[in-house]
Amino acid sequence: QQQVRQSPQSLTVWEGETAILNCSYENSAFDYFPWYQQFPGEGPALLIAIRSVSDKKEDGRFTIFFNKREKKLSLHITDSQPGDSATYFCAASPGNYKYVFGAGTRLKVIA
Amino acid sequence: GGIITQTPKFLIGQEGQKLTLKCQQNFNHDTMYWYRQDSGKGLRLIYYSITENDLQKGDLSEGYDASREKKSSFSLTVTSAQKNEMAVFLCASSHRGSGAEQFFGPGTRLTVL
Repeated sequence: QQQVRQSPQSLTVWEGETAILNCSYENSAFDYFPWYQQFPGEGPALLIAIRSVSDKKEDGRFTIFFNKREKKLSLHITDSQPGDSATYFCAASPGNYKYVFGAGTRLKVIA
Repeated sequence: GGIITQTPKFLIGQEGQKLTLKCQQNFNHDTMYWYRQDSGKGLRLIYYSITENDLQKGDLSEGYDASREKKSSFSLTVTSAQKNEMAVFLCASSHRGSGAEQFFGPGTRLTVL
């Protein structure tokens, strides 16, 4: 059972554009949603995270928009740079140690 | 800062072989995790250890054993490697407590011939 779904599977944008990565979940008990960034050959690294009590979290060019009613969230990367090319994972946790990860979105930013 | 070291970086085994992957962290974190990453499937939790003397099964524990030797180290054993199995095994650690940021190592890439 895939509890966290990500779309699209892959995304290509031009440098300077806004990339939008989508995530949805099924379990209403999830209340913490981190996004991880992974470069080839490396482990994932935390990029930004949001708790379900908030509807928006911003950190520089990265913003999470969260819709609890629809069980959806999205990661917006504004002014995309070639260095942002990576795989992005949406994860969800019900407040314990277990994270459920989505399958990832592979982002490519073309200069 | 700190670092997570995983050894070996690449592991090639034979079908049916017992294989051990090792992880060390110097963050002084209480909690450690083992994940399996398959292409196109995200990360799936195999085992985790909340504190030094604890061991918990994740969603993918069948076919694996784990051992928390001390606070800084966490090992994973593939009890009987399956032919054509190829995945990256990621170790992570965090402070104790839900919602604590998990820091990941670079992974061990397993190939079974």
